[in-house]
Amino acid sequence: DVKVTQSSRYLVKRTGEKVFLECVQDMDHENMFWYRQDPGLGLRLIYFSYDVKMKEKGDIPEGYSVSREKKERFSLILESASTNQTSMYLCASSGLAGMGYFGPGTRLTVL
Amino acid sequence: QKEVEQDPGPLSVPEGAIVSLNCTYSNSAFQYFMWYRQYSRKGPELLMYTYSSGNKEDGRFTAQVDKSSKYISLFIRDSQPSDSATYLCAMKVEGGSYIPTFGRGTSLIVHP
Repeated sequence: DVKVTQSSRYLVKRTGEKVFLECVQDMDHENMFWYRQDPGLGLRLIYFSYDVKMKEKGDIPEGYSVSREKKERFSLILESASTNQTSMYLCASSGLAGMGYFGPGTRLTVL
Repeated sequence: QKEVEQDPGPLSVPEGAIVSLNCTYSNSAFQYFMWYRQYSRKGPELLMYTYSSGNKEDGRFTAQVDKSSKYISLFIRDSQPSDSATYLCAMKVEGGSYIPTFGRGTSLIVHP
C-alpha cells in the first residue's frame, strides 16, 4: 500500500512565523507535489518536484518555498506566514505514469 | 474555459440509487483518467484510474471514458451513506508533464 504521510494534521501559527510542513512517501516515487485546497477553489498546485533537488513552481508559488534533499521527503516552507495562507495543505506523490497518492492533509491556521 | 469541468453539486440521492458523476475536458491529449474520493477533512484517495478509452469496473464502481466526446463518468451502483464524499476527477497527458489536471470536485450526499 502506498503511504504518504504529513508531519501534522492540524497546525496553528502566528502571522510572521516561519512554518515547515513535511511530507514523506514510501513508494520510491520520482514526483512529489504540494497543493493547497480552499472551499470553492479546488486543488491549487504550489510546487512540484520531479527529482531530488529539482523543483518547479506551480500555479501559486508566492510566499512559499520547497526543499527536496532526499527522494522520499518533500518539505513546504512558509517563510513568513500570513492569514491568507490559512488553508488545507496536501502533499502527493506519483510515479512516472502520474497516478497520484495524497497524504492526509495538514489544516493550517494562521492567526 | 477551464481544461476540466466538473459540476460542484451537491448531488443528493437516496440510498440504493445509481449515481453518475461526470467530467468534461478540452485537452484531447489527456490519456490517463483518475477518480479520487475525498471525505471531509481528509486527503483525496485514489479510487480508480483508466488509460485511454473504455470502461473499468471495481465492485460497485465503474469508470467510463469517452474520448470522442471528451467526457468521463464514474458510476456508483447501490449507493451507500458511506459513499457521501467529494469526488474529484483528474487527467494527465502521456509523457511530458507529470502534473495532473484536476476538476474542482462534485459533492455527493447519499441519504438513508
